[in-house]
Amino acid sequence: DTEVTQTPKHLVMGMTNKKSLKCEQHMGHRAMYWYKQKAKKPPELMFVYSYEKLSINESVPSRFSPECPNSSLLNLHLHALQPEDSALYLCASSQGYRVSGYGYTFGSGTRLTVV
Amino acid sequence: GIQVEQSPPDLILQEGANSTLRCNFSDSVNNLQWFHQNPWGQLINLFYIPSGTKQNGRLSATTVATERYSLLYISSSQTTDSGVYFCAVVNRDDKIIFGKGTRLHILP
Repeated sequence: DTEVTQTPKHLVMGMTNKKSLKCEQHMGHRAMYWYKQKAKKPPELMFVYSYEKLSINESVPSRFSPECPNSSLLNLHLHALQPEDSALYLCASSQGYRVSGYGYTFGSGTRLTVV
Repeated sequence: GIQVEQSPPDLILQEGANSTLRCNFSDSVNNLQWFHQNPWGQLINLFYIPSGTKQNGRLSATTVATERYSLLYISSSQTTDSGVYFCAVVNRDDKIIFGKGTRLHILP
């Protein structure tokens, strides 16, 4: 299995809703990442988990709450989002954070619309 | 921080044409990848290529690390090659930095 699987593919939520995005990989990768991508822009790093511990938080607002229940799963909990948070949310994994010599594998993303 | 510049920003070609995409980076890197983002948003890993040359079918890539650039060659373009091509590097802080991408449109 060489894939990163993200669910749901599409999500529409109101500003008062609570929802979660899910990411799963079974490649034995020990680093997992959340990226946010706005239209016609490159992906921007949000969070890095290494060995199930949060290693990097790129000053992301607290309405985004990541969780890594085990080495294969990564969640992103959403609460009280704003319309400007509408974007494509991408999950990625790699062999290890701060481990050279390996590439990144991305999921197909969740397209989020906040209304 | 490290700067990653891709050129050209946009490219429109007829099916069957060849193209060269360029990625310049301002500092030494540990890791360089080329990705293709299809119209549905999927980022597909094309090459992991911090140095040297690799080929995969109609695609090939060359990175000259000492001169801080990488090239992606696409031969005999097909409409399915359309999308955005990103170059991404890992800097000394182990953060992945994406270029702004080259938007490629292949006309049938």
